[in-house]
Amino acid sequence: AQKVTQAQTEISVVEKEDVTLDCVYETRDTTYYLFWYKQPPSGELVFLIRRNSFDEQNEISGRYSWNFQKSTSSFNFTITASQVVDSAVYFCALSGGSSNTGKLIFGQGTTLQVKP
Amino acid sequence: ETGVTQSPTHLIKTRGQQVTLRCSSQSGHNTVSWYQQALGQGPQFIFQYYREEENGRGNFPPRFSGLQFPNYSSELNVNALELDDSALYLCASSSEATAYNEQFFGPGTRLTVL
Repeated sequence: AQKVTQAQTEISVVEKEDVTLDCVYETRDTTYYLFWYKQPPSGELVFLIRRNSFDEQNEISGRYSWNFQKSTSSFNFTITASQVVDSAVYFCALSGGSSNTGKLIFGQGTTLQVKP
Repeated sequence: ETGVTQSPTHLIKTRGQQVTLRCSSQSGHNTVSWYQQALGQGPQFIFQYYREEENGRGNFPPRFSGLQFPNYSSELNVNALELDDSALYLCASSSEATAYNEQFFGPGTRLTVL
């Protein structure tokens, strides 16, 4: 069975601090994809990144960076120099498997509050 | 390029009633997936439609049903509403029905069942 665990329910930081959101996944598939989405109060999920299981290279996009480690089944997300606008719920998600429908398995989400 | 749109934004129903939620996929997308997001939880996959056919279903009872039209817009129908059906219903579209393709989400419909 596939599963995504985001152990941190809520994180609160002060602006300009760095923060890391943890994501651990379970799957028996050899080919799979990992995603991070941001959900602001408006409710719409905003795509941040996609990673496939064969590419463990870390990625940086501006203040955002992602660390993918297959050995520990983790796909962690770091925001450097956080800003108030980063306040949102962040979801890690997994897709893949023999059905290959694109069904996303989401974690419970981590609520990030960035205080001024 | 028009994004994913959903209607209505909010809806209030009573137990036992039926509801229809609508989703217009992003231009050029042929796949629509529906998710249920209860308060404080991550979205749960309900089902997916690809080229007007159901293409995968999550752990939801048959009273959750759907349709996809030739223009690839979609409807989610829920019969015999229960209190636990209160949630944000999210629609996502993608260019193909594969695990690789990025899904673009709409703003959701918030359903309250009294």
